[in-house]
Amino acid sequence: GAGVSQTPSNKVTEKGKYVELRCDPISGHTALYWYRQSLGQGPEFLIYFQGTGAADDSGLPNDRFFAVRPEGSVSTLKIQRTERGDSAVYLCASQNRQGGADTQYFGPGTRLTVL
Amino acid sequence: AQSVAQPEDQVNVAEGNPLTVKCTYSVSGNPYLFWYVQYPNRGLQFLLKYITGDNLVKGSYGFEAEFNKSQTSFHLKKPSALVSDSALYFCAVKSNYQLIWGAGTKLIIKP
Repeated sequence: GAGVSQTPSNKVTEKGKYVELRCDPISGHTALYWYRQSLGQGPEFLIYFQGTGAADDSGLPNDRFFAVRPEGSVSTLKIQRTERGDSAVYLCASQNRQGGADTQYFGPGTRLTVL
Repeated sequence: AQSVAQPEDQVNVAEGNPLTVKCTYSVSGNPYLFWYVQYPNRGLQFLLKYITGDNLVKGSYGFEAEFNKSQTSFHLKKPSALVSDSALYFCAVKSNYQLIWGAGTKLIIKP
């Protein structure tokens, strides 16, 4: 079956611009996560959705970052007024259920470069 | 606070030799532990996980990991390394709903 997909694979933008990153999870997975990975580091948690609602957004660095999942499937991470420090690979993962023992499956990521 | 440590930035192993990638954790309660592998310009691929039960967990591509509660470790192992195993390996522990990650270990398998 299809895995997690993310678009675009690469995004180059200028400082101050607005960007949207899309995640299409594995069909039927109710939980969806966004992480951010900088070069040479492990992923950093941003936000977690259970269904349509954001169950935990404690990892969002500031109010320029926002994410939605209106129908409980596809999610969009939105970044306003981008800064050079936002440059990173943004990873999306989905999980079958809410349970802690379940596995998160990752998409290939979107590499964001802010010039 | 929950944390994961991967003490080696890089591990070099000759093809055919056994490999070990180390991971230690700090977590309250019973840990859910995971290993993922990341190839260049690709996403994280799940290898294996420990939830409960047998301390030796077997996963994809011939990898296994040993959970040691007294040493709070979850080292990744493989009896005979392949050149194609060269990649970046991440250990993670589940804390509430999110994964807490180590910094990663670059594994280089030399022919």
